[in-house]
Amino acid sequence: DAGVTQSPTHLIKTRGQHVTLRCSPISGHKSVSWYQQVLGQGPQFIFQYYEKEERGRGNFPDRFSARQFPNYSSELNVNALLLGDSALYLCASSLNVGLLDEQYFGPGTRLTVT
Amino acid sequence: ILNVEQSPQSLHVQEGDSTNFTCSFPSSNFYALHWYRWETAKSPEALFVMTLNGDEKKKGRISATLNTKEGYSYLYIKGSQPEDSATYLCARHNDYKLSFGAGTTVTVRA
Repeated sequence: DAGVTQSPTHLIKTRGQHVTLRCSPISGHKSVSWYQQVLGQGPQFIFQYYEKEERGRGNFPDRFSARQFPNYSSELNVNALLLGDSALYLCASSLNVGLLDEQYFGPGTRLTVT
Repeated sequence: ILNVEQSPQSLHVQEGDSTNFTCSFPSSNFYALHWYRWETAKSPEALFVMTLNGDEKKKGRISATLNTKEGYSYLYIKGSQPEDSATYLCARHNDYKLSFGAGTTVTVRA
């Protein structure tokens, strides 16, 4: 069975541009979460979606937005890119949102903003 | 403690030796603690999820303990092998999100 997939793998953008990152969860998983990982730090929570509804949002500016589609795939959008947005963006899926529901991570999208 | 903290930041261990490292977290309103192993160029892999004070989990040569009253968890690697080289992340489950520590990077020397 396929794991969590993310596209693209790598991306280079210029300051001020917009970017869309995509995530396909494990089949049957209804929840998708997004994390940003900067070198030297642990992943930071951005969003969680469950059954196509936003369930939680981390401490990120409004330039960051996301959505979940009827097939449970998800997009993360970042507008007006800043140099500080350069990071690895991880997507994780889980069956549900209970305490014991493991989050399974994709390989990430490496975003470089120049 | 306000955030999830891991120590040490990195460690080197000789093949065959055992090692352990710590995850500290806020003990109030505790729900669950997750451990992940993250090898270079791969996805983070779930190791354990623990919820109860005194929980002990084991997977092969890796085990973990949980103390929710004082807010810490230990991860142990017994008889380290080169394939154990990775960054080990712990994360506190806060309702809908995981709050991660910065990780402990383990390098096993042959």
